[in-house]
Amino acid sequence: GEDVEQSLFLSVREGDSSVINCTYTDSSSTYLYWYKQEPGAGLQLLTYIFSNMDMKQDQRLTVLLNKKDKHLSLRIADTQTGDSAIYFCAESMPGGYQKVTFGTGTKLQVIP
Amino acid sequence: DVKVTQSSRYLVKRTGEKVFLECVQDMDHENMFWYRQDPGLGLRLIYFSYDVKMKEKGDIPEGYSVSREKKERFSLILESASTNQTSMYLCASRDRDVGTEAFFGQGTRLTVV
Repeated sequence: GEDVEQSLFLSVREGDSSVINCTYTDSSSTYLYWYKQEPGAGLQLLTYIFSNMDMKQDQRLTVLLNKKDKHLSLRIADTQTGDSAIYFCAESMPGGYQKVTFGTGTKLQVIP
Repeated sequence: DVKVTQSSRYLVKRTGEKVFLECVQDMDHENMFWYRQDPGLGLRLIYFSYDVKMKEKGDIPEGYSVSREKKERFSLILESASTNQTSMYLCASRDRDVGTEAFFGQGTRLTVV
């Protein structure tokens, strides 16, 4: 079955890099996602990576995928106070209904 | 601007009441989902629908039902609300194509007293 694990909390200083980690169990995942949830809001897609890729970079965001270890990470360079939020890792299974399984979420606190 | 709208941001209901949570999307998406979000548990899928009048159970369907009479609207029903259903409820919609983004509503904070 699917299971997506994340640490619950991360604290970094403004200007430092943040690395949020995620492990998943289902090797048949097709897409892996990072969503951001700001206080009082729904989730918004930050970035995603297809399972046959190792890395994806998008401005301050770098996603690394180690498919052998089933490990996904999100690196935020030059972390800003506006990056404070909960970050969810998610995986999508192949198949008709495109079910997406979310992790527990990591709350990122950026200290000025 | 794409939009998923949930009818209420905050609701307070009494134990035993029947509760309706409404969700509307304007993107003509086939797939719609209801999740609940609890601290330390992430998002857990309650039900989803892949077409009008079609529904599938998610991971935690007990105590809930759903209705999808029109493509744009997906309703979550708590037949008899209980205190353990106090939670944040999130609706999402998504196109049928592989790997596409899910769009989320703002969430409904439900408190059952």
